[in-house]
Amino acid sequence: DAGITQSPRHKVTETGTPVTLRCHQTENHRYMYWYRQDPGHGLRLIHYSYGVKDTDKGEVSDGYSVSRSKTEDFLLTLESATSSQTSVYFCAMGSLDWHGEQYFGPGTRLTVT
Amino acid sequence: GQQLNQSPQSMFIQEGEDVSMNCTSSSIFNTWLWYKQEPGEGPVLLIALYKAGELTSNGRLTAQFGITRKDSFLNISASIPSDVGIYFCAGPPAGGGSNYKLTFGKGTLLTVNP
Repeated sequence: DAGITQSPRHKVTETGTPVTLRCHQTENHRYMYWYRQDPGHGLRLIHYSYGVKDTDKGEVSDGYSVSRSKTEDFLLTLESATSSQTSVYFCAMGSLDWHGEQYFGPGTRLTVT
Repeated sequence: GQQLNQSPQSMFIQEGEDVSMNCTSSSIFNTWLWYKQEPGEGPVLLIALYKAGELTSNGRLTAQFGITRKDSFLNISASIPSDVGIYFCAGPPAGGGSNYKLTFGKGTLLTVNP
């Protein structure tokens, strides 16, 4: 959606290397999310943030960490990438005065070789 | 955890036909959302529904929030080739303490034959 971007859009990395994906939003939304999307599994929540420096785990958080030092940026880090983390990663945002709507970024396709 | 059952899993239709898909849950939802995802892109919010029984349109799309709050329907009228994509339902389950986490359906893959 307009107002939320992800970088990089594509990345190939080797097993064991650290990887950081960036999500940037310009809407001043409080909530931000990281999902992964895999065939047969749909969208699965990795981590989310409900404010600066406030984060919590989602359903598939093992092997991932996040940081949010500013409202507009939410970083997802794979400390030591594994082949099972090959996926498409989506960031999303949502504000406090909403009823559940989330707005997604364009995605990052990560391949771990 | 919560699950949303979305059907059908896929549809192959002719241009001009109407399309109907639905989402059901064993739990009550506060909001129903419908997204569309095109290849290589992120999901885009099409319609949001907030009240049981609500019927909302967005162009050729019409969605309804089921009266039981456990289901929702999306209809597309007079389909065109650019309707191709995966359609997801989603929503925050009621009783979860907040609206900040969504449960997603697995999606309906729509193919439109020109």
